[in-house]
Amino acid sequence: NAGVTQTPKFRILKIGQSMTLQCAQDMNHNYMYWYRQDPGMGLKLIYYSVGAGITDKGEVPNGYNVSRSTTEDFPLRLELAAPSQTSVYFCASNGQGSSYGYTFGSGTRLTVV
Amino acid sequence: KNEVEQSPQNLTAQEGEFITINCSYSVGISALHWLQQHPGGGIVSLFMLSSGKKKHGRLIATINIQEKHSSLHITASHPRDSAVYICAVLNAGGTSYGKLTFGQGTILTVHP
Repeated sequence: NAGVTQTPKFRILKIGQSMTLQCAQDMNHNYMYWYRQDPGMGLKLIYYSVGAGITDKGEVPNGYNVSRSTTEDFPLRLELAAPSQTSVYFCASNGQGSSYGYTFGSGTRLTVV
Repeated sequence: KNEVEQSPQNLTAQEGEFITINCSYSVGISALHWLQQHPGGGIVSLFMLSSGKKKHGRLIATINIQEKHSSLHITASHPRDSAVYICAVLNAGGTSYGKLTFGQGTILTVHP
């Protein structure tokens, strides 16, 4: 089925470990986003990309990195995991980056202990 | 003050009741989205509005651009409507790059 695929769905990391959250879409969307969702808070933008090779910081980029080598893939890298990065992470894509519908991945629940 | 405020934060209803969730925003926008998130689940787009009203089944969404306010209504509510409903706005301006600003969500529980 067409959509946004996120892996893994769950992960427990120890403080200081690193990991990559994978995100892939098969809709040929140029615009892709990484959000984090904390309890009682709205989703916050971590990084976004407007096309292959182009990425930029969102509201809460510290502790994260991204790359966009292809239109399909937009991985999020966590270096030196900290408890403050315990959250649910959502990847999303949008065809035009404007007033069009968004497609969200199913989320990755990350716990840092 | 957040740019996007939803009310109420929590809502409990009995099956069959008419439900209203409100969203107010403080910035100029080009579109407003209503999203649904089931417990432990992903996020699904319900509506995108730039003016007026849209209806899909038992769900109705309205927006008043002048008052910077939108409502999501659910008629004849059902326990399967239990979810978090999220309002998100797309700021006006050509450099928004589709970035959404989200409300904190409204947790709806519908009892049988």
